[in-house]
Amino acid sequence: GQQVMQIPQYQHVQEGEDFTTYCNSSTTLSNIQWYKQRPGGHPVFLIQLVKSGEVKKQKRLTFQFGEAKKNSSLHITATQTTDVGTYFCAGPKTDSWGKLQFGAGTQVVVTP
Amino acid sequence: NAGVTQTPKFRVLKTGQSMTLLCAQDMNHEYMYWYRQDPGMGLRLIHYSVGEGTTAKGEVPDGYNVSRLKKQNFLLGLESAAPSQTSVYFCASSYEGGGDTQYFGPGTRLTVL
Repeated sequence: GQQVMQIPQYQHVQEGEDFTTYCNSSTTLSNIQWYKQRPGGHPVFLIQLVKSGEVKKQKRLTFQFGEAKKNSSLHITATQTTDVGTYFCAGPKTDSWGKLQFGAGTQVVVTP
Repeated sequence: NAGVTQTPKFRVLKTGQSMTLLCAQDMNHEYMYWYRQDPGMGLRLIHYSVGEGTTAKGEVPDGYNVSRLKKQNFLLGLESAAPSQTSVYFCASSYEGGGDTQYFGPGTRLTVL
């Protein structure tokens, strides 16, 4: 079945450093979405990418959709303690209308 | 505009007890979803609904039932709770399916003893 894999599962970052987390789909996606879940909170939508090779920025966060529309990345520059949380990517399920296939997430821990 | 709300926020059940989790949305969304989240497992879809009066099974439907009698409400029922159902339950809604953005509720933390 369709799989969405995220690496790494855990990311420990020193405050001020940059890091990248990756999302890989077993199938071509019509779009990819990123969500953030703060500790003890609920997933919150961050962004959606639709076009092949698309790059979008939100302040220190840069999102990219791969040329083949099967992978995506999230790059955070100058990490802050407010970036702590789990980042999920998700893409539409190809075998069933109306559902998203979520990755398992990358849990980000920031050390001051 | 409250978005997606869930009740209760916390609940402790004994094995074999039943309960209903309520999800409500005020965004006039057609699609609604129930997920469970366990450590290291991400979000797993339990059941979903593509409109009032409709429901469908997700990845992990066993032990759960749902109903969508009104467009704005989506109920998740546990008829006979088991310790394996200890989890955090999230409801979500979207205007359309097919990969539309999903809006999540705050979650219900359920413990089954």
